[in-house]
Amino acid sequence: GAGVSQSPSNKVTEKGKDVELRCDPISGHTALYWYRQSLGQGLEFLIYFQGNSAPDKSGLPSDRFSAERTGGSVSTLTIQRTQQEDSAVYLCASSLLGLNNSPLHFGNGTRLTVT
Amino acid sequence: DQQVKQNSPSLSVQEGRISILNCDYTNSMFDYFLWYKKYPAEGPTFLISISSIKDKNEDGRFTVFLNKSAKHLSLHIVPSQPGDSAVYFCARTTSGTYKYIFGTGTRLKVLA
Repeated sequence: GAGVSQSPSNKVTEKGKDVELRCDPISGHTALYWYRQSLGQGLEFLIYFQGNSAPDKSGLPSDRFSAERTGGSVSTLTIQRTQQEDSAVYLCASSLLGLNNSPLHFGNGTRLTVT
Repeated sequence: DQQVKQNSPSLSVQEGRISILNCDYTNSMFDYFLWYKKYPAEGPTFLISISSIKDKNEDGRFTVFLNKSAKHLSLHIVPSQPGDSAVYFCARTTSGTYKYIFGTGTRLKVLA
């Protein structure tokens, strides 16, 4: 099964709690992205990792959001003190090179609901 | 500052007919345009792309057209099949960079 794997698939949490979302990219893919899709919205860029380079965090909506990529493979997206507006589907994607001739491969996402 | 715009949130088409999905963009810096398809509870999957040096790219039932003067991108599906029912996103990216900008999506329903 060589696709991008995300866990959990669904997460319901209370406002104010912290959550961690996990992404296992395709083996050998150097680029990893996090996007989110809120209801009725497009895919919103959050953060990008490429190899050992410093990540592009320009899309993170607030300092409650952070992400890590350990060993150039697995990534975790952490949301602290969750708010109701954080409710969305969080999508992880990887690509071989992180360039436009290397399309993104998405996981099935984590649906986060903050009550 | 939205740089790709899908103005039609939904589209219904009869099976066997042509589906045309549209996307407008706001400047010409970006060199690649892509279409992704998304089924419920799944991640988007890559469908077809086109470079800004081309006007057309075809792959089976799917053809993407790029009208640079109008800054308009379209995806044609012919003949449409019920399995094509999904949300379609257009996206764009600049040559040599990694950032993809996505539209808000168009939900296509192909009626049997």
